[in-house]
Amino acid sequence: NAGVMQNPRHLVRRRGQEARLRCSPMKGHSHVYWYRQLPEEGLKFMVYLQKENIIDESGMPKERFSAEFPKEGPSILRIQQVVRGDSAAYFCASSPPGGPYQETQYFGPGTRLLVL
Amino acid sequence: AQKVTQAQTEISVVEKEDVTLDCVYETRDTTYYLFWYKQPPSGELVFLIRRNSFDEQNEISGRYSWNFQKSTSSFNFTITASQVVDSAVYFCALEDMDSNYQLIWGAGTKLIIKP
Repeated sequence: NAGVMQNPRHLVRRRGQEARLRCSPMKGHSHVYWYRQLPEEGLKFMVYLQKENIIDESGMPKERFSAEFPKEGPSILRIQQVVRGDSAAYFCASSPPGGPYQETQYFGPGTRLLVL
Repeated sequence: AQKVTQAQTEISVVEKEDVTLDCVYETRDTTYYLFWYKQPPSGELVFLIRRNSFDEQNEISGRYSWNFQKSTSSFNFTITASQVVDSAVYFCALEDMDSNYQLIWGAGTKLIIKP
């Protein structure tokens, strides 16, 4: 059973470009979470999604950031018009249908975004 | 509000020594979960343990052990006979009903095991 997959592992963008980060949850998992880790810090929650639904986006910046988890395909975290402060590691986690409070979240390897 | 404090920013020990990583948490909920994750230099996050607030039994897994003390709101992690491969950043995290399924993370403790 493959773990949580994230791609790309490393992404370099210039200021003003768009960044698209992809996350494929573990097989059988229907809950996806995105976290951001700034250098030398712990992770910060961004958004929690189920298939075709955003359940909690309280950690998402109000502008430029969006997330989706379509019926088919991976979850996408999209950052428009990136700025240097967006440089961070973005982690995706997934959990089984029991839900986040019943099940452990398993993390992907992360995408390291560098904005030049 | 919920909070997780890992007061030790960095710990350095010589191989084979025992080392304890501290984690103190704050929550108003009576039902919550506590976690430890390991982040090796390669950057991925490795799940180590998930502990329910109603289960105060200490847990041992090989060289790893966890001491959950509700009275002091602590969930400390001990590595016995440390090895160089244990070198990593270790994160403690909290999940409770108020956090709406989010994991609240400590800042992490960087553990360096010297040969």
